[in-house]
Amino acid sequence: AQSVAQPEDQVNVAEGNPLTVKCTYSVSGNPYLFWYVQYPNRGLQFLLKYITGDNLVKGSYGFEAEFNKSQTSFHLKKPSALVSDSALYFCAVRDGRNDYKLSFGAGTTVTVRA
Amino acid sequence: DTAVSQTPKYLVTQMGNDKSIKCEQNLGHDTMYWYKQDSKKFLKIMFSYNNKELIINETVPNRFSPKSPDKAHLNLHINSLELGDSAVYFCASSHPERGTEAFFGQGTRLTVV
Repeated sequence: AQSVAQPEDQVNVAEGNPLTVKCTYSVSGNPYLFWYVQYPNRGLQFLLKYITGDNLVKGSYGFEAEFNKSQTSFHLKKPSALVSDSALYFCAVRDGRNDYKLSFGAGTTVTVRA
Repeated sequence: DTAVSQTPKYLVTQMGNDKSIKCEQNLGHDTMYWYKQDSKKFLKIMFSYNNKELIINETVPNRFSPKSPDKAHLNLHINSLELGDSAVYFCASSHPERGTEAFFGQGTRLTVV
């Protein structure tokens, strides 16, 4: 069975500073990894994904994530955070190509202060 | 055009009632999902359908009955609503074999009083 862990409930950073949101996963096959963002009273918006290829994945709004197979991690990063990045971030995983179950982490609330 | 649309957006109802939430996707995806987001914002998969066939049923009470009349639609019917059913329900679609990400609807906030 697959699982996802987001070890931090909250991340607080100052505007302009680097932002990192941590994610680790557990699967039996090849991981398909995703990051989503949710703004208050909204649905989930896709940010980026890792399926195969380069370990560093670039996504929307200046976000990127690095796949680390040995550490089973897929941390989300942004070099310079904006106040508008304040939201709830979810990491998600599928266990391979033919897995129809997308499992989510518990979410990390990011607050960027001006 | 909205990729994944679900209706209604808000639903307030009394305990014991039966209600339905509708979902439609125009992305041509084969797989559709229902997720429940509780008050702590935790997202839990309820059902997954592929080509109208039920693939995943995550120990959801049988008061919840999904129905997929075709690949573009996945509706959720809930019988005998309970207070604990209050949550936000999200519909999503994807094409897992192609490695696509899941696209989510805007959610239906269900409040049982």
